[in-house]
Amino acid sequence: DAKTTQPPSMDCAEGRAANLPCNHSTISGNEYVYWYRQIHSQGPQYIIHGLKNNETNEMASLIITEDRKSSTLILPHATLRDTAVYYCIVRIHNNDMRFGAGTRLTVKP
Amino acid sequence: EAGVTQFPSHSVIEKGQTVTLRCDPISGHDNLYWYRRVMGKEIKFLLHFVKESKQDESGMPNNRFLAERTGGTYSTLKVQPAELEDSGVYFCASSQGQQHNEKLFFGSGTQLSVL
Repeated sequence: DAKTTQPPSMDCAEGRAANLPCNHSTISGNEYVYWYRQIHSQGPQYIIHGLKNNETNEMASLIITEDRKSSTLILPHATLRDTAVYYCIVRIHNNDMRFGAGTRLTVKP
Repeated sequence: EAGVTQFPSHSVIEKGQTVTLRCDPISGHDNLYWYRRVMGKEIKFLLHFVKESKQDESGMPNNRFLAERTGGTYSTLKVQPAELEDSGVYFCASSQGQQHNEKLFFGSGTQLSVL
């Protein structure tokens, strides 16, 4: 199973871009990279996902390296409400998501 | 459109009692998943339904846990008898299809406390 490695924590200044890295060096060709976040004790919230190309939506951008061994989630203008645990997940098959420890992002005023 | 709803939001029971958690997926979603997060641990997969059938129950911790999805709509997760280590937050998620580019939508979870 492809696993992911993320830094345990990061800080970001409010209004600045938050860049959250993820390493998934054992990813296989048909596995997607997903990003979710969990704010306080709420349920995980979908952010974005991609396969090979960079993706952008109203929440964030996802940059995937050409060899697909790593990716970066970018929150272009972080706000205090973006403080959360961010999970980078490689979907191992068509059934479920496997969560790791994630990165605890703290956005500071 | 309503999201994934879970009931109750909180449950406090004593060791040895039975608790049943309920999940209503998004209407039309054939896939339903149960996850849980125990204190200090990562979110762990429990099982996956496709309609009323169990597709994968490899994450169920032991036979004190029973999940059902009669009729392929809502699902229940029963813990009988509950033990202290069952305390945690139980999340339900649903998705429309089974392709691995389909996102899962999560509910707000049920906080279970076993005393």
